[in-house]
Amino acid sequence: AQSVTQLDSQVPVFEEAPVELRCNYSSSVSVYLFWYVQYPNQGLQLLLKYLSGSTLVKGINGFEAEFNKSQTSFHLRKPSVHISDTAEYFCAVSGGSNYKLTFGKGTLLTVNP
Amino acid sequence: GAGVSQSPSNKVTEKGKDVELRCDPISGHTALYWYRQSLGQGLEFLIYFQGNSAPDKSGLPSDRFSAERTGGSVSTLTIQRTQQEDSAVYLCASSRRGGSSYEQYFGPGTRLTVT
Repeated sequence: AQSVTQLDSQVPVFEEAPVELRCNYSSSVSVYLFWYVQYPNQGLQLLLKYLSGSTLVKGINGFEAEFNKSQTSFHLRKPSVHISDTAEYFCAVSGGSNYKLTFGKGTLLTVNP
Repeated sequence: GAGVSQSPSNKVTEKGKDVELRCDPISGHTALYWYRQSLGQGLEFLIYFQGNSAPDKSGLPSDRFSAERTGGSVSTLTIQRTQQEDSAVYLCASSRRGGSSYEQYFGPGTRLTVT
């Protein structure tokens, strides 16, 4: 079985500040890891994914994440956020024969002026 | 190109009625997924279709839920005798192939409200 824990349900930050959204996972098989973003009243959009190779993954909109196998983490970071980054962010895992995504509960990022 | 589309975008129904939710995947995508997003449960997998293989229905919460995929393209999720706990956003996703490494592209969802 796989599970994902997003440690913060809400993260408020000021514009142009750095941000880190935390994600830890549990799995008995090798994993693929994803971060999705959901803007209000919209579906999920993929920000970035880790499949294999370099543990530092760069995605869209200036986001990046680092896969840490020993700590079973996949934290999302951005060095300088914008108002438009206000959204809910979901960490997800799949892997092995498990093709369905298992999601965390989400982190609401609110960027204030 | 066109993304995943879902209809209706919003559906309000009375308790006990049946509803049908539609999903049009990205053309050429062989895998199709349904998920449910609710305040209490977060995002949950419901059902998975891959080509002509038997669907994985392991996430369906009760036998009131069913889904079909016709011609390997459009999918319909049907909820019979709706209950208030069925109120949620139902998201459809498709991917180029089945398998855990393929990116899933999500539609905008159908918001279902059962009164």
